[in-house]
Amino acid sequence: EAGVVQSPRYKIIEKKQPVAFWCNPISGHNTLYWYLQNLGQGPELLIRYENEEAVDDSQLPKDRFSAERLKGVDSTLKIQPAELGDSAVYLCASSLGTGGTDTQYFGPGTRLTVL
Amino acid sequence: AQSVTQLGSHVSVSEGALVLLRCNYSSSVPPYLFWYVQYPNQGLQLLLKYTSAATLVKGINGFEAEFKKSETSFHLTKPSAHMSDAAEYFCAVSDGNYQLIWGAGTKLIIKP
Repeated sequence: EAGVVQSPRYKIIEKKQPVAFWCNPISGHNTLYWYLQNLGQGPELLIRYENEEAVDDSQLPKDRFSAERLKGVDSTLKIQPAELGDSAVYLCASSLGTGGTDTQYFGPGTRLTVL
Repeated sequence: AQSVTQLGSHVSVSEGALVLLRCNYSSSVPPYLFWYVQYPNQGLQLLLKYTSAATLVKGINGFEAEFKKSETSFHLTKPSAHMSDAAEYFCAVSDGNYQLIWGAGTKLIIKP
């Protein structure tokens, strides 16, 4: 079974430039999560989708971040414009359901460096 | 509000020695507890989870954790460390909803 796929794995951009990350969840997983992970810290939830609906985007900085999950499968997270403080690893995860015991499966992440 | 505290940002053990990674939580409701492992440049992988069944939970790669309600702890152990265990380990708690509250992580270093 294929895992969660993310691309690109690494991205280096200059500040004020736009950037986009792509995620393909495990087949059949209805719930998709985007997390931000800073060095030496645990992941922080940015947004959660159930199918194509963003059911929790309370932690997403909407002035510069946007996300979409067309057709309830793949998802894209965008930052425009990027700031120096956005340098981090962006993780995508998926789960079969939305219960507290559902295992979240993570992709390898995209490491973003903003210069 | 829920929270997770992992004691020690770095833990160093010799190969073959006992591994003990500490996790304490706070929760106003019966918690669900998770341990994930993150190898360098990889995503997080579930090691084990506690979902209110047996208090001693066995996971992958020889790891296990014991839920102790009186101590609000969920420490991760492995009897004998291998070099391949070198990674960062994260403890997380859920109140039954989807959201996980994560600890800051503990980097496990294995000395030959």
